[in-house]
Amino acid sequence: QKEVEQNSGPLSVPEGAIASLNCTYSDRGSQSFFWYRQYSGKSPELIMSIYSNGDKEDGRFTAQLNKASQYVSLLIRDSQPSDSATYLCAVNTPTGGFKTIFGAGTRLFVKA
Amino acid sequence: SAVISQKPSRDICQRGTSLTIQCQVDSQVTMMFWYRQQPGQSLTLIATANQGSEATYESGFVIDKFPISRPNLTFSTLTVSNMSPEDSSIYLCSVPNPFSGANVLTFGAGSRLTVL
Repeated sequence: QKEVEQNSGPLSVPEGAIASLNCTYSDRGSQSFFWYRQYSGKSPELIMSIYSNGDKEDGRFTAQLNKASQYVSLLIRDSQPSDSATYLCAVNTPTGGFKTIFGAGTRLFVKA
Repeated sequence: SAVISQKPSRDICQRGTSLTIQCQVDSQVTMMFWYRQQPGQSLTLIATANQGSEATYESGFVIDKFPISRPNLTFSTLTVSNMSPEDSSIYLCSVPNPFSGANVLTFGAGSRLTVL
């Protein structure tokens, strides 16, 4: 079983719609959860971090965490063409010394 | 947050040769991480580089193939040894960014290696 699983997509949404990205993880001891955005040819950059159950909102982005279900999601409201990128779910796991494991990424296309 | 300079940004290498990638951080950090991103794939952790001790390698990565140096708290190198076309990847250096939250990572621009 992969440690962090994401639907690779691509996910295509029209401009102005809500994009919903999902992620599950296997290590119940994980404490920190992240969404990174990676544009083609660029390095990943942090979009959201979340550390406790519930929702965390930052502008158009909302991260949701459910540790009981081992599930993390990212909602992007009012999607813009500039949001088109690959979104990487990442989990910091204590197994082996607190390392960050990345999912395969979901490619998002926002159509103008 | 820390600023990371990585070089080379890209290189084309011949099979059987070795290449050393450098990572310079503008502040002192305890841990530095080396990731590999193969074409169309996500990031895979190669090793954690700690100053003053041997690097800790992940399953599937060995020191003979990917020797790492960490001479001080601002610098690390990763060498890709005896390269084959399967080593064609982007190699990324990253460091913790505590100003953005616990366990958040900042990445260098990456080194894109093509092995012929």
